[in-house]
Amino acid sequence: DIQMTQSPSSLSASVGDRVTITCRASQTISIYLNWYQQIPGKSPKLMIYDASTLQSGVPSRFSGSGSGTDFTLSISSLQPEDFATYYCQQSLSPPYTFGQGTKLEI
Amino acid sequence: QLQLQESGPGLVKSSETLSLTCSVSGGSISSSSYYWGWIRQSPGKGLEWIGSIYHSGSTYYNPSLKSRVTMSVDTARNQVSLNLSPATAADTAVYYCARLGITMIVPLRGFFDSWGQGTLVTVSS
Repeated sequence: DIQMTQSPSSLSASVGDRVTITCRASQTISIYLNWYQQIPGKSPKLMIYDASTLQSGVPSRFSGSGSGTDFTLSISSLQPEDFATYYCQQSLSPPYTFGQGTKLEI
Repeated sequence: QLQLQESGPGLVKSSETLSLTCSVSGGSISSSSYYWGWIRQSPGKGLEWIGSIYHSGSTYYNPSLKSRVTMSVDTARNQVSLNLSPATAADTAVYYCARLGITMIVPLRGFFDSWGQGTLVTVSS
């Protein structure tokens, strides 16, 4: 299975900050990398797919980049509703695997 | 608006069968653009993909669970089901039903663009 490793595991930031979360795959996955946001008590929400394509309805302050094994999720100006846990997921082929999550805290 | 709703027992005895149903409304599970999947989340293992199924019955299972998992579809009722047997304490988790938007069929590629609210299943001894 392809292992997905996120860093950092947790991140403290303030409203208005720019933050970046990194995801690394154990083998090349081209651009087949998705990002999800999970607010406590809620189900995950797709934010970005295929490394850099913004899902419909997701604010433009979110962006994704990368290919091969290294990927990043950036939030340009943190809003209060962005404090959540973020997961990456590879979709190169089954079995799909997720990163362990990055908890974004105030 | 698409809605996915998981249902089933919240408590299952160890060695018995964990059975869940996902009812889909606001869209058809017979759409050619989607697979339907199950994903679980436990504190110890994070998010784990269990498997995905097409309306034709074609399935992909996680090899780590394949020997215990069965998924099925009921197109008339617009439902997808999950059976996991025998259940163990390690299967205690929140189980999500999710729609997989297909970008490629072979190999199967896509993204989980719609999720149910999740249901907590506890496996007790």
